[in-house]
Amino acid sequence: EDKVVQSPLSLVVHEGDTVTLNCSYEVTNFRSLLWYKQEKKAPTFLFMLTSSGIEKKSGRLSSILDKKELFSILNITATQTGDSAVYLCAGAGSYQLTFGKGTKLSVIP
Amino acid sequence: DGGITQSPKYLFRKEGQNVTLSCEQNLNHDAMYWYRQDPGQGLRLIYYSQIVNDFQKGDIAEGYSVSREKKESFPLTVTSAQKNPTAFYLCASSEGRLVYEQYFGPGTRLTVT
Repeated sequence: EDKVVQSPLSLVVHEGDTVTLNCSYEVTNFRSLLWYKQEKKAPTFLFMLTSSGIEKKSGRLSSILDKKELFSILNITATQTGDSAVYLCAGAGSYQLTFGKGTKLSVIP
Repeated sequence: DGGITQSPKYLFRKEGQNVTLSCEQNLNHDAMYWYRQDPGQGLRLIYYSQIVNDFQKGDIAEGYSVSREKKESFPLTVTSAQKNPTAFYLCASSEGRLVYEQYFGPGTRLTVT
């Protein structure tokens, strides 16, 4: 059975801090690793990682995949209150995504 | 505006009643998906469809049914056989079965009492 585990499950930081969210996976016929941000309702897509060791970056967010150790990290630098959300990690197998439980990030002013 | 719509936003039903959740997309995507999300849990796949008139069970299909008669539409019926139907339901779509960037609708929160 495919499995994706995220840690920590929740995190509280102050504005300006840097955070690292972790995601480990065991997915049959693994193709890629995806990160989503979920604020109130619909998850919004952040990154899709297919190759090991290549960092993807978007503003203050960056992510990297290690296919040998089967994990990915999502970094957020200089956090803002608008970064408060649940961050979901998902492993893509043959035809479907397997999601982790998410990391709830709270950024306090 | 391209996107995925789900209706209604909130739905209340009595136990023992079937209920159908709507999902429509105008992105011209081939694949559509239904997920269920419970508090503190990730998304769990209920059903998915890669083409019209074809769909497959996901990890938690028991007590649910779907149809895919049109490319744009993928309604989900929560039947009375579903033991724990109260949850947040999300519909998603993607361009094709090998394209994993899925776009999500705003969700329907179903409460069954």
